[in-house]
Amino acid sequence: QVQLVQSGAEVKKPGASVKISCKASGYTFSNYYMHWVRQAPGQSLEWMGIINPSGDSTSYAQKFQGRVTMTRDTSTSTVYMELSSLRSEDTAVYYCGRDIPGEKYSYYFDYWGQGTLVTVSS
Amino acid sequence: SYVLTQPPSVSVAPGKTATITCGGNHIGTKSVHWYQQKPGQAPVLVVHDDSDRPSGIPERFSGSNSGNTATLTIRRVEAGDEADYYCQVWDTSIDPGAVFGTGTKVTVL
Repeated sequence: QVQLVQSGAEVKKPGASVKISCKASGYTFSNYYMHWVRQAPGQSLEWMGIINPSGDSTSYAQKFQGRVTMTRDTSTSTVYMELSSLRSEDTAVYYCGRDIPGEKYSYYFDYWGQGTLVTVSS
Repeated sequence: SYVLTQPPSVSVAPGKTATITCGGNHIGTKSVHWYQQKPGQAPVLVVHDDSDRPSGIPERFSGSNSGNTATLTIRRVEAGDEADYYCQVWDTSIDPGAVFGTGTKVTVL
């Protein structure tokens, strides 16, 4: 069965960086793009970007351009999301989500990781 | 950027029907996907491409999309349906990416 298992919770100081992992299993890793989505406490979901595990190409939301880097390791079927220059507003649960192309040039997420809480506090 | 608006809350009695709307400019021209999220858990896909259900999702969950409003309908509501629900589209504008609605808390009375 498809599983996305993320790394554990992190506590970081403002200005630091955090790197979260998402290990995929139960399917062919290179066949599906992977997204990263975050959710601040009590808020809705916010899309951060997407990575192609096959070719390592990425696309990031403008809001995170320059601060986010998504990478992958095909040998371990793992994708990573690194966010730098952390500030208190980055406190959130971060999710990876497997991409499925939908209709009308749309994309959605059929499987999600369990989430990783990142707390940014001095 | 594209904005999706949902009512903050919907209350429904067990066995009745819950209707959750998702408003967006000409949303009927886009595919809409819906997620259920229970406290402390990751979202779960319940409807994709306006009205298709993934395997394992009960037929009680259905969707529609036309004009400026998409709708998720939950028939014969059960206590286990109490959760937050989010709509999602893919924005193909100058800053492409997934856009999520503001979320609706469904409370089963």
